[in-house]
Amino acid sequence: DAMVIQNPRYQVTQFGKPVTLSCSQTLNHNVMYWYQQKSSQAPKLLFHYYDKDFNNEADTPDNFQSRRPNTSFCFLDIRSPGLGDAAMYLCATSSFGGSGTADTQYFGPGTRLTVL
Amino acid sequence: GQNIDQPTEMTATEGAIVQINCTYQTSGFNGLFWYQQHAGEAPTFLSYNVLDGLEEKGRFSSFLSRSKGYSYLLLKELQMKDSASYLCALYGQNFVFGPGTRLSVLP
Repeated sequence: DAMVIQNPRYQVTQFGKPVTLSCSQTLNHNVMYWYQQKSSQAPKLLFHYYDKDFNNEADTPDNFQSRRPNTSFCFLDIRSPGLGDAAMYLCATSSFGGSGTADTQYFGPGTRLTVL
Repeated sequence: GQNIDQPTEMTATEGAIVQINCTYQTSGFNGLFWYQQHAGEAPTFLSYNVLDGLEEKGRFSSFLSRSKGYSYLLLKELQMKDSASYLCALYGQNFVFGPGTRLSVLP
């Protein structure tokens, strides 16, 4: 089945130790998103790619970086995780048809990051 | 910003009907989406509206009024498994999520 896959599902890292979360999709969608979601809060958009064009949200810390080597894969790099970065990280995809259109997002299962 | 607002929590009884409201303060968006999210899981798509009016999908319906800055999600024949958070999201240049409504369905 076509889907959005995130690995690992659970990630434990140490304070300040770089960590990479991965996302892959078989939907061939042109847009991929990374969200951070903390307990009892709404998902917060960190950045998204429209094809290869990278779009960073203004309030996303520099500590968060992303790579999209091809249509199928997208990575979230946290360069120096702090305790406040412990959260669920959600990857999502959508197919953007142009201005004035809307297509739903499909979410991966998420990676729960713990920072010790 | 889009200032999206939803009630924090709601409680309803199994078999009943519940309406979850979402209000916003923006005019520039392409669509309004509703997602269901169980604790510890990713959001799953329920319904969306581009035009004003009601969209029905089985037990779930969503309504949009652009002129009133208002949407609602209607859940019929509530089941225990419907206990979850319900998020509305506006799609303009990006998806922007509301704070979510935590629904508890009681027997």
